[in-house]
Parts: sequence; structure tokens; C-alpha cells
Amino acid sequence: NAGVTQTPKFRVLKTGQSMTLLCAQDMNHEYMYWYRQDPGMGLRLIHYSVGEGTTAKGEVPDGYNVSRLKKQNFLLGLESAAPSQTSVYFCASSYGDNNSPLHFGNGTRLTVT
Amino acid sequence: AQSVSQHNHHVILSEAASLELGCNYSYGGTVNLFWYVQYPGQHLQLLLKYFSGDPLVKGIKGFEAEFIKSKFSFNLRKPSVQWSDTAEYFCAAPSNEKLTFGTGTRLTIIP
Repeated sequence: NAGVTQTPKFRVLKTGQSMTLLCAQDMNHEYMYWYRQDPGMGLRLIHYSVGEGTTAKGEVPDGYNVSRLKKQNFLLGLESAAPSQTSVYFCASSYGDNNSPLHFGNGTRLTVT
Repeated sequence: AQSVSQHNHHVILSEAASLELGCNYSYGGTVNLFWYVQYPGQHLQLLLKYFSGDPLVKGIKGFEAEFIKSKFSFNLRKPSVQWSDTAEYFCAAPSNEKLTFGTGTRLTIIP
């Protein structure tokens, strides 16, 4: 049982380049989330999805896009990377009710130069 | 919307010391609360959770938390910490389909 899998684990981009982070979960969870983690700021929600084909904005959505074409996958895209997007990105999933904890992936460390 | 605050940013303790990390939430209705732990270089893992019933919740690795409704608090405790408890700890609460996290408390245990 893999849980939540994120790829890639590390990436270095130049300003203006684009990339897609992939998140896959095998727990049949309805809800999926993308967070970024920065020192002293905790986890901030970028975008989330409450089901296949749906997406919604979180606290810090600017500069990111997402897609949830299949229930098990949640993609995070950066169309034109900026140094301010240097961060560690975590994907998470849950059943969606308030009693359900989030299950996290191992994170993607992104550096934008 | 629910918000969560953690006032201790960095706590340094010696092994065997007792631990209490503060967490306060804002919304006074039905409350579900979580504590997560992030060991160095790893992802967040669930430590414990509160839904209803007994306000004293026991989690993994000897941690516990007490829900005090009158104080809007859900503090994390451990009677005797170990070096392996060195990690970052996050309090969280659901709010409008999302989980809102506090800014985290970094715990450093000195052997």
C-alpha cells in the first residue's frame, strides 16, 4: 500500500520555466490538497479538490494551477516559475469528512533560481 | 472560518523533561482538532486527534492532548521527552472542506 506518492522528489528550475508536480493516492480518497511549507510559515494551502473533476483555490493560489482528471491523481502546475516559489511542496489526501486525518506524501523540494 | 495559533515557535528541552506545546483555536462550535508531527526530512504524520467525548486524548509515542473548551485550547503534552522527539509539531483544525494548520513549533531535545 503506497499511500500518497509525489514525484519528483527534488527539482531545480530557472525563473520562467514551467513544471508539473504529480501526486497519486491509492486509498480511494475523495479530497486532495497541495500545500507549500516555508520556514516560519507552517503549511499554506495552495489548491485543493473535493472530487474528480473539481478544484478550488486555497490561501496562496497565485502562480499555480491544478487538475484532477482522475480521482487518484492531483497535478500541480507552475506555468512560469519565480524564485518566490522556492519551497517544499506537500500533497495530501483524505476521505473529506471533518473526522478524517490527512495523509501526506513525502514532499517535493523545489528551488527556483 | 476556523483559525489555529501556536505561540511557541521553538522549544528546547533536555531529555526526560516534561513537554507542553500550546495550541489555540478560534471557532467555538463543534470542534475537531489534530496534532501532526514532522520528523526532520520527513512528511507530516498524525500524532493524535480529538472529535468528541473524553477531552483527554492519547496518541502515539506517549503523547497526549487535552481539549479545554473554555480556553479554546488543545495543548500537546508528554511527561518525559526523548531525543527522538526532536521534530516540528503542528496543530490543525478543519474549516470549510480544508484543514487549517498552525505555524508549527520546532522542538529540539538535547541529549
